[in-house]
Amino acid sequence: SQKIEQNSEALNIQEGKTATLTCNYTNYSPAYLQWYRQDPGRGPVFLLLIRENEKEKRKERLKVTFDTTLKQSLFHITASQPADSATYLCALKGTSGTYKYIFGTGTRLKVLA
Amino acid sequence: GAVVSQHPSRVICKSGTSVKIECRSLDFQATTMFWYRQFPKQSLMLMATSNEGSKATYEQGVEKDKFLINHASLTLSTLTVTSAHPEDSSFYICSARGIQGELVKRGTDTEAFFGQGTRLTVV
Repeated sequence: SQKIEQNSEALNIQEGKTATLTCNYTNYSPAYLQWYRQDPGRGPVFLLLIRENEKEKRKERLKVTFDTTLKQSLFHITASQPADSATYLCALKGTSGTYKYIFGTGTRLKVLA
Repeated sequence: GAVVSQHPSRVICKSGTSVKIECRSLDFQATTMFWYRQFPKQSLMLMATSNEGSKATYEQGVEKDKFLINHASLTLSTLTVTSAHPEDSSFYICSARGIQGELVKRGTDTEAFFGQGTRLTVV
């Protein structure tokens, strides 16, 4: 069955450093992959979408890579700030013909001042 | 980005009563809405998918008589938790998808936006 894995352990990094989060998937060939930010008690907020034919995508301090051979996406936050502390979810669109999204469990990032 | 409003943000109800949660797309037409459930420190689990004007499609294991979904217009979907029990306490989140390509034309890269979520506590 389709499976998405994110590091469930919290990631603590020092302010100013680059945070790197990983999303691995199996039994799946998504057309695109999305990253969301979720704060406690809130719904997910869309950050970036990367398509299968794109290797890398950037938005301000965020960078996403997508390796369809490794079946992996990396999400980077450069010059991290305490305000970046949140849970980050990766999501894959369902099989062709549907618009269901499958979410990873998320990785909790804490940026220490 | 597009705005999806979910209401209420928090609700406490007595066991055996029903609770209705609303999900509205404020500045776009939502052809499809999704309802998710999220337990603490777990991922979002899709409960059902609803297309405007048609019956919702429920995921395996989700009781359709327990979780009633109505998507009567292109801007509103409701989830009603009927005869709620303490085990129904959870965080419920809706997501709305716009007409194909509409949101992309507006410069948004994704076609699905999420509401703020509703924390349901059944006592």
